[in-house]
Amino acid sequence: EDQVTQSPEALRLQEGESSSLNCSYTVSGLRGLFWYRQDPGKGPEFLFTLYSAGEEKEKERLKATLTKKESFLHITAPKPEDSATYLCAVQASNTGKLIFGQGTTLQVKP
Amino acid sequence: NAGVTQTPKFQVLKTGQSMTLQCAQDMNHEYMSWYRQDPGMGLRLIHYSVGAGITDQGEVPNGYNVSRSTTEDFPLRLLSAAPSQTSVYFCASSYSYQGDGYTFGSGTRLTVV
Repeated sequence: EDQVTQSPEALRLQEGESSSLNCSYTVSGLRGLFWYRQDPGKGPEFLFTLYSAGEEKEKERLKATLTKKESFLHITAPKPEDSATYLCAVQASNTGKLIFGQGTTLQVKP
Repeated sequence: NAGVTQTPKFQVLKTGQSMTLQCAQDMNHEYMSWYRQDPGMGLRLIHYSVGAGITDQGEVPNGYNVSRSTTEDFPLRLLSAAPSQTSVYFCASSYSYQGDGYTFGSGTRLTVV
């Protein structure tokens, strides 16, 4: 069964304190792995797509990496405006459907 | 350019009532889908459509109906609302079912009492 597990569920950081969010997955043929950011009361906003192990993508203070079993979202020197819920999703190559993890809620304190 | 527009933003229903959640996109996307988001459950796929006239079931389709008569619109109908359908509903679209970076609407918060 295709499955996505994110950890930790919640993460509190001080401004400038770097850390990583984990997304572990099992899927019968990975077409792509996606990272989204979701602010309270809003819909998810697309951040990155990763297609193959070893691939990396960067955007400002965020860097996403991919292995055959998991993905990491590294946050370098976070700021309070990075506070949000970060969602990971995998897309199976046979169905094309997106399967989401439960998300990691990040709080960055000044 | 509005992207994906969902209406209403909030709704309270009584058990047994029916209603339609509206979703419209102006990006000429072929693929559209409906998700529900519940605490601790993540986003779960309800129904999806790969083009006008074509719909299919997702992970949790029971109690919901969809149709796709135009490329732009993908309404979700609750036939007889139940408290278990209390959730936040999101509509998403993409240029194809294999498209990168689905665009999500801002959601409809539904409470069934």
